[in-house]
Amino acid sequence: EIVLTQSPGTLSLSPGERATLSCRASQSIRSSYLAWYQQKPGQAPRPLIYAASSRAAGIPDRFSGSGSGTDFTLTISRLEPEDFAVYYCQLYDNSLWTFGQGTKVEIK
Amino acid sequence: QITLKESGPTLVKPTQTLTLTCSFSGFSLSTSGVGVGWIRQPPGKALEWLALIYWDDDTRYSPSLKTRLTITKDTSKSQVVLTMTTVDPVDTATYYCAHRPSLDEYYFDYWGQGTLVTVSS
Repeated sequence: EIVLTQSPGTLSLSPGERATLSCRASQSIRSSYLAWYQQKPGQAPRPLIYAASSRAAGIPDRFSGSGSGTDFTLTISRLEPEDFAVYYCQLYDNSLWTFGQGTKVEIK
Repeated sequence: QITLKESGPTLVKPTQTLTLTCSFSGFSLSTSGVGVGWIRQPPGKALEWLALIYWDDDTRYSPSLKTRLTITKDTSKSQVVLTMTTVDPVDTATYYCAHRPSLDEYYFDYWGQGTLVTVSS
């Protein structure tokens, strides 16, 4: 079973700053199997990135995904007030699905 | 426009069986490649995938919960049902259903609003 580890647990930043979130898999995975979601309090997760680097429908271009092998990154180029939330990576592996433990992006 | 909505009891007693229904519109679960999954989230904790059913009735379950879960579909009613046996307070969570668009896309593109289930005597 592949384990996803997200870091940091909490990221304290100011609006306008760049956010870099990490998702590390315990073994090498196909990039097409890696997705990212945003979740705000009281809301369902919202898909941001799929196949490691493809933006989901309606997602602004300040969100980007990158990575390969075991190390994947979600980058928010300039934080907007509405971007402060929790972010999860998700893996598809051998017909099963796994989520990371999440990274909270909070206002500094 | 794809929408999904979860329904079921808000309070369940320990050892009872929990039955949740996902009612959806905007797609058919008879379309090749499409799937509907269930994901839960205990209060203040991370997301946990539970189960998924495909257009062809193929099912997948979380290994840690496999013995307690059953997922079924009623294509004519546009519904997916998740049954969890022998619930415990640790099963208290918001339960979401979500749409997997195709066999070539490995994410959930539409989610329901979630339903909070509390397990308590």
